[in-house]
Amino acid sequence: QSALTQPASVSGSPGQSISISCTGPNIGGHNYVSWFQQHPGEAPRLLIFDVRNRPSGISTRFSGSKSGKTASLTISGLQPEDEADYYCSSYAGTGNWLFGGGTKLTVL
Amino acid sequence: QVRLVQSGAELKRPGSSVKVSCKASGGTLNDYGVDWVRQAPGQGLEWMGGIIPVFRTTNYAHKFQGRLTITADEVTNTASMDLISLKSEDTAIYYCATVPPPYGQQLVRSLLFDQWGQGTLVTVSS
Repeated sequence: QSALTQPASVSGSPGQSISISCTGPNIGGHNYVSWFQQHPGEAPRLLIFDVRNRPSGISTRFSGSKSGKTASLTISGLQPEDEADYYCSSYAGTGNWLFGGGTKLTVL
Repeated sequence: QVRLVQSGAELKRPGSSVKVSCKASGGTLNDYGVDWVRQAPGQGLEWMGGIIPVFRTTNYAHKFQGRLTITADEVTNTASMDLISLKSEDTAIYYCATVPPPYGQQLVRSLLFDQWGQGTLVTVSS
């Protein structure tokens, strides 16, 4: 069982905004939180690092935030291609990192 | 950007070991950090460990301590992962991924992967 808790699934209609939460005891103590998107049969893709930074080439529709022990990924203007699995990760101390259990996003 | 090509699929018996390689081209691994992530069938991502090749510094997830060895060869520009005492629960796709400069040489950072290998399926079955 992962020490980072994500909802198993979320859904939204095209054009809407959704948020995915990621809660864990380590999150409150630093800003080393990342978010990944994974489509079936593909390697994950980095969306957000350091809580809120987007790598080059990632749409501004993806944004990250943190409050206390919970980090959040918000996707605005949902598009059909956003349907995928989403994973958070957090530094866990002593040179270790954890992933959340993953959230399946369905675009209705 | 560096490109990563991993070795091919493996079928292993329980109790044996497996070595998966990750060859880089278009850049030198000494400029990056290299982590290994696995994904069991239908399951989520699991961080296994990583190496900072230029410092030969390694970190391993607690559950893999004593079973996992990650190395990097400067001459062949290849990182490798050795997992011993295989169990059926080790059946998974194993990915290598690079952490770009300057983050790749930091001991404390986000998981920040700019490139992934194509993945290597390791099946552990009797």
